[in-house]
Amino acid sequence: AQSVSQHNHHVILSEAASLELGCNYSYGGTVNLFWYVQYPGQHLQLLLKYFSGDPLVKGIKGFEAEFIKSKFSFNLRKPSVQWSDTAEYFCAVNAVGGSYIPTFGRGTSLIVHP
Amino acid sequence: EPEVTQTPSHQVTQMGQEVILRCVPISNHLYFYWYRQILGQKVEFLVSFYNNEISEKSEIFDDQFSVERPDGSNFTLKIRSTKLEDSAMYFCASSDLGRNYGYTFGSGTRLTVV
Repeated sequence: AQSVSQHNHHVILSEAASLELGCNYSYGGTVNLFWYVQYPGQHLQLLLKYFSGDPLVKGIKGFEAEFIKSKFSFNLRKPSVQWSDTAEYFCAVNAVGGSYIPTFGRGTSLIVHP
Repeated sequence: EPEVTQTPSHQVTQMGQEVILRCVPISNHLYFYWYRQILGQKVEFLVSFYNNEISEKSEIFDDQFSVERPDGSNFTLKIRSTKLEDSAMYFCASSDLGRNYGYTFGSGTRLTVV
């Protein structure tokens, strides 16, 4: 079964700082990768997803993520964060050809100070 | 944008009582899911439902849990005899034919067992 690790549990940044949230997964086969965001009091929303092709994926709100297969990583980045990016961010992976049920990481809490 | 709707948003129940959490998935979606998130922990998969039957379930989804699609729109999660450790945020999600695509999540029901 696959597993997901998010190494940063809490990140605090000032506005305009750059962001990179780490995500590593363990699974020997082909995977689909997702980043979800959960704003305070709201539901999980899909930020971006990777299935195949260009390993650099661009999502909503200026976020992007890069799939590095050799490192089993799918880190989320944003060049300049805003106060409104304060949220919980979850990385998820599902196994192609296996169970398609996504496995989530523990999440990273991002606080952006104005 | 289509939404997954969950009711109630917050439910408090006494230990040993039965609770039913309700979800209205997106109308043309075919796959339905329940996840839960205990405070401070990862989002955990409970069960998936397709074609009016459970297609996959986790170890968490024991005999105390059941799901039902009583009509064409609702998708419910029942916990027969709640325990303190059932306190969590319960998320419903749905996806369309492409089940390896990102899911649409509801805003969640916060269940508090006292």
